[in-house]
Amino acid sequence: EAGVAQSPRYKIIEKRQSVAFWCNPISGHATLYWYQQILGQGPKLLIQFQNNGVVDDSQLPKDRFSAERLKGVDSTLKIQPAKLEDSAVYLCASSWGTAYNEQFFGPGTRLTVL
Amino acid sequence: QKEVEQDPGPLSVPEGAIVSLNCTYSNSAFQYFMWYRQYSRKGPELLMYTYSSGNKEDGRFTAQVDKSSKYISLFIRDSQPSDSATYLCAMNNAGNMLTFGGGTRLMVKP
Repeated sequence: EAGVAQSPRYKIIEKRQSVAFWCNPISGHATLYWYQQILGQGPKLLIQFQNNGVVDDSQLPKDRFSAERLKGVDSTLKIQPAKLEDSAVYLCASSWGTAYNEQFFGPGTRLTVL
Repeated sequence: QKEVEQDPGPLSVPEGAIVSLNCTYSNSAFQYFMWYRQYSRKGPELLMYTYSSGNKEDGRFTAQVDKSSKYISLFIRDSQPSDSATYLCAMNNAGNMLTFGGGTRLMVKP
């Protein structure tokens, strides 16, 4: 079974630029999550999708972050414009459903904002 | 105050030692408790999960939950250098939105 795929693995941009991350979940997983993990901290949930609908985006900074999951499969997370404090690893995870199910994580995209 | 507190370490132990990792939490609504292992430059992977208070054992790993004290632990017996990683506790309530601790970095020296 293929795992959660993410790209790119690394990205370096300057502040005020825009950036996009892509995630392909495990086949058949209805629920997809984006987390932000700042160095030395645990992952923080940004947004959760159930199929192509948003379940929770209460911790997403909506003035600069956006995410979509068209057709209920792949997802993209965008930051525009980026700030220095956005430097972090962005992790995508997926699970079968929204009740307790194991979340499987991708390798993450490491973003550095200069 | 964070909802989930975890000592960041690093914790350095010799190979073969028993390791104890701990988290405290403040939200009494949390029902499911998990331990994830994260190797450098990798995503977290689930090690153990428990629902109720008590112990759960899986090979060299034992997870312990004390809901009355809002305290969870992970014990690793006969630790190996391959156990060197960051260990994250996580918990949630009825939904599947996880709240993570900050992680404890463990180093097992040969």
